[in-house]
Amino acid sequence: DQQVKQNSPSLSVQEGRISILNCDYTNSMFDYFLWYKKYPAEGPTFLISISSIKDKNEDGRFTVFLNKSAKHLSLHIVPSQPGDSAVYFCAASATGNQFYFGTGTSLTVIP
Amino acid sequence: NAGVTQTPKFQVLKTGQSMTLQCAQDMNHNSMYWYRQDPGMGLRLIYYSASEGTTDKGEVPNGYNVSRLNKREFSLRLESAAPSQTSVYFCASSEQAPGELFFGEGSRLTVL
Repeated sequence: DQQVKQNSPSLSVQEGRISILNCDYTNSMFDYFLWYKKYPAEGPTFLISISSIKDKNEDGRFTVFLNKSAKHLSLHIVPSQPGDSAVYFCAASATGNQFYFGTGTSLTVIP
Repeated sequence: NAGVTQTPKFQVLKTGQSMTLQCAQDMNHNSMYWYRQDPGMGLRLIYYSASEGTTDKGEVPNGYNVSRLNKREFSLRLESAAPSQTSVYFCASSEQAPGELFFGEGSRLTVL
């Protein structure tokens, strides 16, 4: 059973606008979350993290929001750029070593 | 700085053959991981090693064995490959847990 879900397989956004990628989880013990970006034929690259003691973390154009009561997190990219076109994965962990990944959302930023 | 290096990048096996995927990291990280990625499934943890000399099962360990040879190297072995093990395999490392995972470029394995 998938403990981390990304229900939108794909998303298209105009360049310069905001991209919002969503992620839901079922395990209330998850306390650390990561977002990764992946280009074809490459390994995932780290974007941003958040622990359960926070509800927001920002790094440049990327902001992650965590709603623990809803078991939901989202990644905001502002402004979106064509180079952001990739597959985005969220991941969650309760133990620190075992991360559960979502199935990914393919983002296309249209110039 | 190479980061995480995996070999081979591509491999085709016949059912029943064995092979070892090699992984090495040069960041002096304590923890290392093996994941597989299948279409529609995201990445799933096969095994991990929290420190040199220790290994633990992840979500999908059946059919695999691992060895943490030293702090730098973590290998994944398929003793008798099956078509269900056709996948892209990623090795990763992290300095601490929880923490950012650094991934290799992946190894594409096809079992016929």
